[in-house]
Amino acid sequence: DAKTTQPPSMDCAEGRAANLPCNHSTISGNEYVYWYRQIHSQGPQYIIHGLKNNETNEMASLIITEDRKSSTLILPHATLRDTAVYYCIVRDERGGADGLTFGKGTHLIIQP
Amino acid sequence: GAVVSQHPSRVICKSGTSVKIECRSLDFQATTMFWYRQFPKKSLMLMATSNEGSKATYEQGVEKDKFLINHASLTLSTLTVTSAHPEDSSFYICSAPTPRGVGYTFGSGTRLTVV
Repeated sequence: DAKTTQPPSMDCAEGRAANLPCNHSTISGNEYVYWYRQIHSQGPQYIIHGLKNNETNEMASLIITEDRKSSTLILPHATLRDTAVYYCIVRDERGGADGLTFGKGTHLIIQP
Repeated sequence: GAVVSQHPSRVICKSGTSVKIECRSLDFQATTMFWYRQFPKKSLMLMATSNEGSKATYEQGVEKDKFLINHASLTLSTLTVTSAHPEDSSFYICSAPTPRGVGYTFGSGTRLTVV
């Protein structure tokens, strides 16, 4: 799986959009970009994933650059409950045969 | 849908005793489950892959005789920490691939404290 680079921490004001960047310059053609988050003392939660098109669901939007070397997770209206560590993970689709490799992620702190 | 229930959420045990952690898929079947460990302020580390009806596969450096994994049914995997020591104190988390094949669903974790 390709390596990812994320800033260790970010602050965002409540109600504003939180934009979390991720670099994955060695991503290969069959690898997807996945985002998970982990609220303190809980298990991780799947947020969204994409291959090359931008994606949106009820939780977030995922913007992937045309060269696929980086992406941005957008939480459109951050709330205090969005404070968590956000993990960007790149991997190919192998039907869940392998576990995930978590990096250090970005600790997003939503300020009131 | 696709809920993984993990129990207990918190356990304190004495050094030298064994602790069993259960991971259940509530509304789907999971032939494969994964066990992770997370130390304070660190990221999750994959410990082992639990395979229904066959032996678990362990990541390098994880002692299979210390961390016993049993996946006896399509909805239940257990992790037993044997002869626990204070250095085994950690947050243990299980997960399973979602039935839709998109991502993974995780249990809520078990905080193990060995005293």
